[in-house]
Amino acid sequence: DVKVTQSSRYLVKRTGEKVFLECVQDMDHENMFWYRQDPGLGLRLIYFSYDVKMKEKGDIPEGYSVSREKKERFSLILESASTNQTSMYLCASSPSGGPDETQYFGPGTRLLVL
Amino acid sequence: GIQVEQSPPDLILQEGANSTLRCNFSDSVNNLQWFHQNPWGQLINLFYIPSGTKQNGRLSATTVATERYSLLYISSSQTTDSGVYFCAVVSYFGNEKLTFGTGTRLTIIP
Repeated sequence: DVKVTQSSRYLVKRTGEKVFLECVQDMDHENMFWYRQDPGLGLRLIYFSYDVKMKEKGDIPEGYSVSREKKERFSLILESASTNQTSMYLCASSPSGGPDETQYFGPGTRLLVL
Repeated sequence: GIQVEQSPPDLILQEGANSTLRCNFSDSVNNLQWFHQNPWGQLINLFYIPSGTKQNGRLSATTVATERYSLLYISSSQTTDSGVYFCAVVSYFGNEKLTFGTGTRLTIIP
């Protein structure tokens, strides 16, 4: 079974702090994704990566950066957390690079920024 | 970009009932997936179904690509079916990113 893990289930941070969200997958998938989920808005793509050291902006990249130094790990960074970044963050991975691959999701991190 | 609309937004049913969830999309797609998010937030892929019909136990899905919609059927609902169901698509003319609908929240009452 594919396993995608995220470093924290719940996180509370203060405005202005630098926040790191870690995601690890154990199935040697090439593709990894970071989404945020907000009520009434569904899931929105923040960043994604098709290979090590490669990253592409999604639909809402402002205020975020990412790092993919190893194939299995994809980190989301909030350089200076703000209250409007309070959300549920979901990581996903999928094999290959084509459009017809199922995405597998981690359990999510609920981030509260005070 | 491609628009994905799901209906109904909320659905409350008695255990044992059947339900149909709908997903409409605004452009041709080469990837359509249905997901279930349980009350603890975990998203599980149910079907990869850009066209045709698939069945998995009490769940089945049909996508009519030419008419730009997909349906998810749940028969003999159980309380464990509760949660939010998402449809997500990749536009045939797009950039290979999944675009999600806003979901249908299903509540099954014992």
